[in-house]
Amino acid sequence: DQQVKQNSPSLSVQEGRISILNCDYTNSMFDYFLWYKKYPAEGPTFLISISSIKDKNEDGRFTVFLNKSAKHLSLHIVPSQPGDSAVYFCAASGDTGTASKLTFGTGTRLQVTL
Amino acid sequence: DVKVTQSSRYLVKRTGEKVFLECVQDMDHENMFWYRQDPGLGLRLIYFSYDVKMKEKGDIPEGYSVSREKKERFSLILESASTNQTSMYLCASSLTQDMNTEAFFGQGTRLTVV
Repeated sequence: DQQVKQNSPSLSVQEGRISILNCDYTNSMFDYFLWYKKYPAEGPTFLISISSIKDKNEDGRFTVFLNKSAKHLSLHIVPSQPGDSAVYFCAASGDTGTASKLTFGTGTRLQVTL
Repeated sequence: DVKVTQSSRYLVKRTGEKVFLECVQDMDHENMFWYRQDPGLGLRLIYFSYDVKMKEKGDIPEGYSVSREKKERFSLILESASTNQTSMYLCASSLTQDMNTEAFFGQGTRLTVV
């Protein structure tokens, strides 16, 4: 069973516009959420995270929103740039005694067009 | 900067061979992980370790084993490689199991089993 779901396999956005990537989770024990960015033939790189005690975290062009009641989080990128084109993975942790084990979604491929 | 280094970027092995994938981190992290990435399936956890000589099964441990003899090194072993183990393998490390933190990934090993 997929505990972390990214239902949009791909997204295309024009340069300068907002990109919104979505993620849903089913395990109510998750209390820490992260977004990673991955280019082809490279390892994922950490972007931004949010704890369940918050509903928003912002870092430059990247903002993550958490809606605990809906078990939903989203990543907003404003403004989108061509270099943002990559696969974005949502991840969650906190459901086990080993707090730092991450469960990943299936990824959303973002393409930012000129 | 945290550095996680995987010994090979690309490997081609024959069915039935024993395969070793090596990973080293240089930041004295307690936790180390092995994931595999497949199209449409995201990153799936194979094994993880939160201390030397300690290991725990992830979501898909079948056909794999691991070794952690030193804190900085975590090895993934394919006992008898099969074609369905063709994949991108990603090693990661994170600071401690006592708090939620991000994981840092290596550059990945693209393994092809023929």
